[in-house]
Amino acid sequence: KAGVTQTPRYLIKTRGQQVTLSCSPISGHRSVSWYQQTPGQGLQFLFEYFSETQRNKGNFPGRFSGRQFSNSRSEMNVSTLELGDSALYLCASSFDEVYGYTFGSGTRLTVV
Amino acid sequence: EDQVTQSPEALRLQEGESSSLNCSYTVSGLRGLFWYRQDPGKGPEFLFTLYSAGEEKEKERLKATLTKKESFLHITAPKPEDSATYLCAVQVKGSQGNLIFGKGTKLSVKP
Repeated sequence: KAGVTQTPRYLIKTRGQQVTLSCSPISGHRSVSWYQQTPGQGLQFLFEYFSETQRNKGNFPGRFSGRQFSNSRSEMNVSTLELGDSALYLCASSFDEVYGYTFGSGTRLTVV
Repeated sequence: EDQVTQSPEALRLQEGESSSLNCSYTVSGLRGLFWYRQDPGKGPEFLFTLYSAGEEKEKERLKATLTKKESFLHITAPKPEDSATYLCAVQVKGSQGNLIFGKGTKLSVKP
C-alpha cells in the first residue's frame, strides 16, 4: 500500500519568494497534518485538515497557509520566504487517531 | 503549558546492551502518547500509541510503557540497525492532528 507522498523532496528558494508544497495522503485517510522540523526547535505543528476543513492551527505567522482538496490531497504555502523558514516540512495522514499518524519523507526547503 | 521532555539527548550502546529512553510530559488532558523512530533524511516512522497509565506495548526488541507523568521505551539487546532518533509525542484531548513532540533521543548502537 502506498505511503504518504510529498513533493518535491528538495527545494531551494530565494528570500521574498513564495513556495507551495504538496502532500498526497494514504488512500482512505481524510486527516492531513503539517509540521516544520528544524534542528533547534524540533517538530512543530503547523495545521491540520479534515475533509477540506482546517480543524486546528499551530503558532505560526499568517505567511504559512494550507488547504485540502476533495480527494484529501493537501498543499501548504509559505509566502514572503525568510531565511528562518529553511526546514524539513513533514506531512502526516491518519484514518483515525487510534491508528496513529503516518508521516511522509518530507520536503527539504532551503531559503537563500 | 503542554510540553514533552525526552532524556537523554543522546545514548551510545554496545550491541546487546539493553537500556531505556525516557519521555516525561505535562499536558492538560492526555489523548494519547506516541513513539516514533526517525532515520536521517526520512520522516518519522510510527512505533506505538499508548492511551492510559499502566498500558504496555511491544514490538520486536522495543517495549513502551506509560505512567501518569512519563513513558519509557525499553530496548532489549539492541542491534546496530536500531540506531536512529526516537521521538515521543503527545496529543492533547480536543486538539485534532496536533502532536506535541519532544526533541528526541539519538540512539547509536555499536557492533
